[in-house]
Parts: sequence; structure tokens; C-alpha cells
Amino acid sequence: DAGITQSPRHKVTETGTPVTLRCHQTENHRYMYWYRQDPGHGLRLIHYSYGVKDTDKGEVSDGYSVSRSKTEDFLLTLESATSSQTSVYFCALRDRVGAGELFFGEGSRLTVL
Amino acid sequence: EDKVVQSPLSLVVHEGDTVTLNCSYEVTNFRSLLWYKQEKKAPTFLFMLTSSGIEKKSGRLSSILDKKELFSILNITATQTGDSAIYLCAVEANTGNQFYFGTGTSLTVIP
Repeated sequence: DAGITQSPRHKVTETGTPVTLRCHQTENHRYMYWYRQDPGHGLRLIHYSYGVKDTDKGEVSDGYSVSRSKTEDFLLTLESATSSQTSVYFCALRDRVGAGELFFGEGSRLTVL
Repeated sequence: EDKVVQSPLSLVVHEGDTVTLNCSYEVTNFRSLLWYKQEKKAPTFLFMLTSSGIEKKSGRLSSILDKKELFSILNITATQTGDSAIYLCAVEANTGNQFYFGTGTSLTVIP
């Protein structure tokens, strides 16, 4: 157990509203990731962080922003939610590059109406 | 473009059967290949493979990597209903800090 907590676990919102998902860790892992999982697409990387205030884009970053102001929290923000952002969002952690597996959180299911 | 392809997409077997799941990849600067099991929630780690020809084994599950032919297989022997899940394959590249995931194989084991 890598001590990962995602919140909220479920959210329904309307198109055009901002949404923030939170990933909290208790293990002091350096690397944190946000993925989305959709049928037929598998897990796709949105953004990742390699340290406090150090973030980079993944393959599906459009419409999303992230922030990491402290080691334990990585926030994913949908600035203006669209129906295409309906998905399950997973946070993942890693201690260091090349050091082994990603540990995943339980996921946050977001529905945009 | 880097990609990971898993096959079959889905599989239905009876308890006791043996199954083989496939993962092929085209990823520049390969570092490692990982297998995950995903039931209702978060993917859980099964194996990490970095060298060709060395089998990783855990109970009834085993996996091997072929870096020449760019694929890996995951074998499950004497399947049980608890093996029902989606099995994900991911490949990490040396450059960047990314894992490339396949779409997964959905395994259903019938009693």
C-alpha cells in the first residue's frame, strides 16, 4: 500500500464547470502521475510531476492543468469540463525513474453532463 | 509513434484452463515492461521485466520477455474465478518519464 488517496471518488458535474481532483500521498514519493482510463484506450497519461512545482505534459493534456505545491498533493484541474472528459481518473506514484512499478490510487469517476 | 498492443481483447475460459496473454510493443529506448491486474478498482502490480528470456513467476502466474521480437506473454495456469480481471501491459522508455499502456485483455473465468 503506497498510501494514495484520491478525492472525490465520484463526481457528477455539468459542462463548462471547473473541476479539481486531488491526489494525496503519505509515502514521500517523488513522482506523481495523472492518468485517465477509457474503454478502448487503456490508460493515458495526462500530466506528471517530478517534484514540487515541477510538472510536465503527457499525451492527453489539453483541457487539463496540474499543480504540486507540496510533495504529498498533486491536483488535477479541468478548467471547463466537457463531456469528452467523462472518464475514470487514476493517480499513480513512483519513487524514482527506473526503480520499479507505479502504484495506483483507487480512481475518481467523473461524469460530465 | 510509441505503442503497446495487447491480445486478445477478451477471453472467456473455464476454471482449470491455462491462458496466455500477449503484449507486443514498439517503444523507442525500451527500459522495462510491466504487467498489472485490474479488478474493479486500481491496477495492481504483477511483474516487471527488463531482460529477455528470464521468466518471472508468482504462484500460477508467469511472464517472459523477448526483446528481439518485442513482445511479452503472461501465462496463468489452473485458472480460478478470482483470476477474472483486466490484465494490463505497460512499457517504460528510457527517455522521458512515461509508461505506455496497452488497452488490456479482459479475462473471464467461468466456474
